[in-house]
Amino acid sequence: DGGITQSPKYLFRKEGQNVTLSCEQNLNHDAMYWYRQDPGQGLRLIYYSQIVNDFQKGDIAEGYSVSREKKESFPLTVTSAQKNPTAFYLCATRGLATYTRYFGPGTRLTVL
Amino acid sequence: GQNIDQPTEMTATEGAIVQINCTYQTSGFNGLFWYQQHAGEAPTFLSYNVLDGLEEKGRFSSFLSRSKGYSYLLLKELQMKDSASYLCAVRDNDYKLSFGAGTTVTVRA
Repeated sequence: DGGITQSPKYLFRKEGQNVTLSCEQNLNHDAMYWYRQDPGQGLRLIYYSQIVNDFQKGDIAEGYSVSREKKESFPLTVTSAQKNPTAFYLCATRGLATYTRYFGPGTRLTVL
Repeated sequence: GQNIDQPTEMTATEGAIVQINCTYQTSGFNGLFWYQQHAGEAPTFLSYNVLDGLEEKGRFSSFLSRSKGYSYLLLKELQMKDSASYLCAVRDNDYKLSFGAGTTVTVRA
């Protein structure tokens, strides 16, 4: 089946630990995005990548890092520098002929 | 900066109609999206408007007025499964989307 997978769905980490969230797609889409969702706020863009080996900071990149070594994969690392990492993280893609974002199922990260 | 406003919550009865308004003030405009998001799940695409006017898709319709910076999503013949959050998002000149905080719609029997 074509789609976007994010794993795990729920993730718990201790404060001060880095954690990497996985995002894999088999839609053959070039552009990939990471958003963060907090209660009462709109989705906020963390990082995005238009092509392999290239990525740009979004609106709230501080405390996060990404890589784009393969077209299919765009992992997000939440570092200990991120002050409030507890949130729902959504990965998305965009095809060439469309402006629509296709979202993965999300990972809910809780930092204890 | 980007400013996108939509009501926080709306409640309606099964079978009724609900209109969710979205106003925006953004640095660029290249289209407006509506997404549906059930609690704990991913947003799913509902509609995309780039020209003024009404787009109808079954029970859902979306309207855009670029001169007024205004859009609405109309949900007709409400069903219980329509209880969800509805997100308005504006595409700017750099292909980025700016999202509103979402409107939680509760459908009551």
